[in-house]
Amino acid sequence: DAGVTQSPTHLIKTRGQQVTLRCSPKSGHDTVSWYQQALGQGPQFIFQYYEEEERQRGNFPDRFSGHQFPNYSSELNVNALLLGDSALYLCASSSGLAHEQYFGPGTRLTVT
Amino acid sequence: GENVEQHPSTLSVQEGDSAVIKCTYSDSASNYFPWYKQELGKRPQLIIDIRSNVGEKKDQRIAVTLNKTAKHFSLHITETQPEDSAVYFCAASIGWFNFGNEKLTFGTGTRLTIIP
Repeated sequence: DAGVTQSPTHLIKTRGQQVTLRCSPKSGHDTVSWYQQALGQGPQFIFQYYEEEERQRGNFPDRFSGHQFPNYSSELNVNALLLGDSALYLCASSSGLAHEQYFGPGTRLTVT
Repeated sequence: GENVEQHPSTLSVQEGDSAVIKCTYSDSASNYFPWYKQELGKRPQLIIDIRSNVGEKKDQRIAVTLNKTAKHFSLHITETQPEDSAVYFCAASIGWFNFGNEKLTFGTGTRLTIIP
């Protein structure tokens, strides 16, 4: 049984560019949450998707958007990249009926 | 919104001794409190969690206690081993029956070092 997977592992982009990160949830999970983890900090909540809709959102600008597909996988899109967007992006999956969230290995994004 | 404070930021203990990490939260509606362990370059790993209807939960060498009145919860690791060295994060969220949980709000982390 595969756990949460994310792609790509690492990514280097230039300021102003756009990026798409991908996440496949753990088998049996239908909810995907995205977090940003800056170096030396705890993860910060970006948004959560359930039934292909954004269920809740954290304090991130509209440059951050997402999508959930019918197979429950999800994408995180960031437009107009800033240097400050450099971070580890984590997705976590959970079952809609349970509380536990399980994290993927993350995508390390570097903006130059 | 919810705010979670975590102390200490770094902690060094001799192998075999106990380690305690403390967190406080601000939103009295929070009712789910997980702890994550993150080794260098790896994903956060859920190690134990507690719900607000329980005061204490134990799993082998790890235990978590919750004081709802004071709005604080703690992680206790006994008989520490070198493989316990990692960054530990506490978190809080509001869990809804039949609707899963809302966002996790994390503390700033504690870097635990076990000295052999």
